[in-house]
Amino acid sequence: GDSVTQMEGPVTLSEEAFLTINCTYTATGYPSLFWYVQYPGEGLQLLLKATKADDKGSNKGFEATYRKETTSFHLEKGSVQVSDSAVYFCALKSNTGKLIFGQGTTLQVKP
Amino acid sequence: NAGVTQTPKFRVLKTGQSMTLLCAQDMNHEYMYWYRQDPGMGLRLIHYSVGEGTTAKGEVPDGYNVSRLKKQNFLLGLESAAPSQTSVYFCASSKGGTDTYEQYFGPGTRLTVT
Repeated sequence: GDSVTQMEGPVTLSEEAFLTINCTYTATGYPSLFWYVQYPGEGLQLLLKATKADDKGSNKGFEATYRKETTSFHLEKGSVQVSDSAVYFCALKSNTGKLIFGQGTTLQVKP
Repeated sequence: NAGVTQTPKFRVLKTGQSMTLLCAQDMNHEYMYWYRQDPGMGLRLIHYSVGEGTTAKGEVPDGYNVSRLKKQNFLLGLESAAPSQTSVYFCASSKGGTDTYEQYFGPGTRLTVT
């Protein structure tokens, strides 16, 4: 069945460092891909999405490109801030319409 | 707009007890969902609803029941709680089931079953 795999966390970075969180997927067809963010004590919020191959989603300085050839959707940010500390979830929309989530990656940014 | 709200925020149950989690949304969304979040496993879909009066099973429905009597509310019931149901439960809603419609999440309910 469809699945999403994210890199293990936690990821600990200093402020202004470059961030990459890896995400790969297995799915039938070409699903839409998403990154959700969960700040401490809150629910998930959509961060960005891409609906077809080579699409780039971007928001709040974060970017991810839909790579069909490598079945990947890695999240990147050029310069992280303390306020970016959160749990990040990669997800795909399966052909049944359901969201399939990865296990989540915790990001800690230190000043 | 309050968005998606969940009650209660925290609850501790003993094995065998029952409870109902309430989700409410004020965005007139058709679709509503219940997920559970467990460490290292991401979010897993328990049940969902595509409209008032309809419900369907998700990935992990066993031990749970749901009802959608009103469009704005989606209730999740545990008839006989088990320690394996200790988790954080999230409700979400969306306009529909297509890619263009974002799911909006509530703040979660942390449930502990002893």
